[in-house]
Amino acid sequence: AQRVTQPEKLLSVFKGAPVELKCNYSYSGSPELFWYVQYSRQRLQLLLRHISRESIKGFTADLNKGETSFHLKKPFAQEEDSAMYYCALSYSSASKIIFGSGTRLSIRP
Amino acid sequence: GAGVSQSPSNKVTEKGKDVELRCDPISGHTALYWYRQSLGQGLEFLIYFQGNSAPDKSGLPSDRFSAERTGGSVSTLTIQRTQQEDSAVYLCASSPRWSTTYYEQYFGPGTRLTVT
Repeated sequence: AQRVTQPEKLLSVFKGAPVELKCNYSYSGSPELFWYVQYSRQRLQLLLRHISRESIKGFTADLNKGETSFHLKKPFAQEEDSAMYYCALSYSSASKIIFGSGTRLSIRP
Repeated sequence: GAGVSQSPSNKVTEKGKDVELRCDPISGHTALYWYRQSLGQGLEFLIYFQGNSAPDKSGLPSDRFSAERTGGSVSTLTIQRTQQEDSAVYLCASSPRWSTTYYEQYFGPGTRLTVT
């Protein structure tokens, strides 16, 4: 069965430090991976998707099929990055997205 | 333009009562999704609509849960005989087309359901 695992419920780093939010998935085919973010009192929104190979707000994520991972990284954390981050998986024949349990990122000043 | 709206924003109900949750998608979006977010859990897929039909009902947790969509627009999620384990935030999302690969899902603010 398809599954997304985010091992860290909470990640706390200092402003300016590098950030890495871990995500592992299980799917035997070719997955589509996403990161969604929910800032305080705001709606859940798409941050980035691996198919676009883009960098959003300084965040990047590389799909590693060998390790079945899609970790989210940012070299220098900013206070406004504090939020709940969800890794998510879909695939070509699917009409739904499978979400992980989320990681709360807290940036300390 | 307006985003996805959901009503009510909060609902407190007694165990055993029925509740209806409403979702107004972005105008023109043909795909609509319902998710449930329980405390400490991720987002759990419930059901998806393409137009007015629901090709994938696999996520509905029990036959107490049902959903419909009319006119290719508004959707209602109904929970009958609510139980305490139904307490969660129910999120609705819409998308221009059904393909999750190529079309972003736009989420509503959610309805927080508390069953006492």
